[in-house]
Amino acid sequence: EAGVAQSPRYKIIEKRQSVAFWCNPISGHATLYWYQQILGQGPKLLIQFQNNGVVDDSQLPKDRFSAERLKGVDSTLKIQPAKLEDSAVYLCASSLELGQGAHGYTFGSGTRLTVV
Amino acid sequence: TQLLEQSPQFLSIQEGENLTVYCNSSSVFSSLQWYRQEPGEGPVLLVTVVTGGEVKKLKRLTFQFGDARKDSSLHITAAQPGDTGLYLCAGLSSGTYKYIFGTGTRLKVLA
Repeated sequence: EAGVAQSPRYKIIEKRQSVAFWCNPISGHATLYWYQQILGQGPKLLIQFQNNGVVDDSQLPKDRFSAERLKGVDSTLKIQPAKLEDSAVYLCASSLELGQGAHGYTFGSGTRLTVV
Repeated sequence: TQLLEQSPQFLSIQEGENLTVYCNSSSVFSSLQWYRQEPGEGPVLLVTVVTGGEVKKLKRLTFQFGDARKDSSLHITAAQPGDTGLYLCAGLSSGTYKYIFGTGTRLKVLA
């Protein structure tokens, strides 16, 4: 089966600019996650969708970050305006259902964002 | 806030050596997973453990879930350069639907 697709792979922007990332999960996966991974650290959950509804966005900095999952398939994550500390890899993951523990998440390759 | 601390943070060993990575928390988890992440890629699931005291083996990798389900270990026998990567544990708390990732252990195996 096709994996989780993310684009772009790399993005360099200046601080205060806007940026958007796109994710296409595995077909049929109801749950979609966006993680932020700062270099050398474990991924931190930003937002979790079940179909097109938000399950958890408690760690999302809502003053600058937004995400949507229209029609319960593709998702976009936006940062506006970006700060230097937003430099990280943004990972998208999907799973068949909520808490699909035994099968784990399938991660995309991520988008590496550098804010200068 | 639940935290999963991994140790060591960095590990550089020679090919053929054995190693153990630890994942510790003060919280109880209903299940725990181990992932390996290579540069430029997303994490890939290695194993899921769900029962306290459970031991799972995957070729040269042995995973153990603590009796109290608060900690886990990953043991690699006769490490190979292909084992190089970032190893992440992730715990699922009862009643939640999200895995919390650990701080990571970066392993480098030298040929």
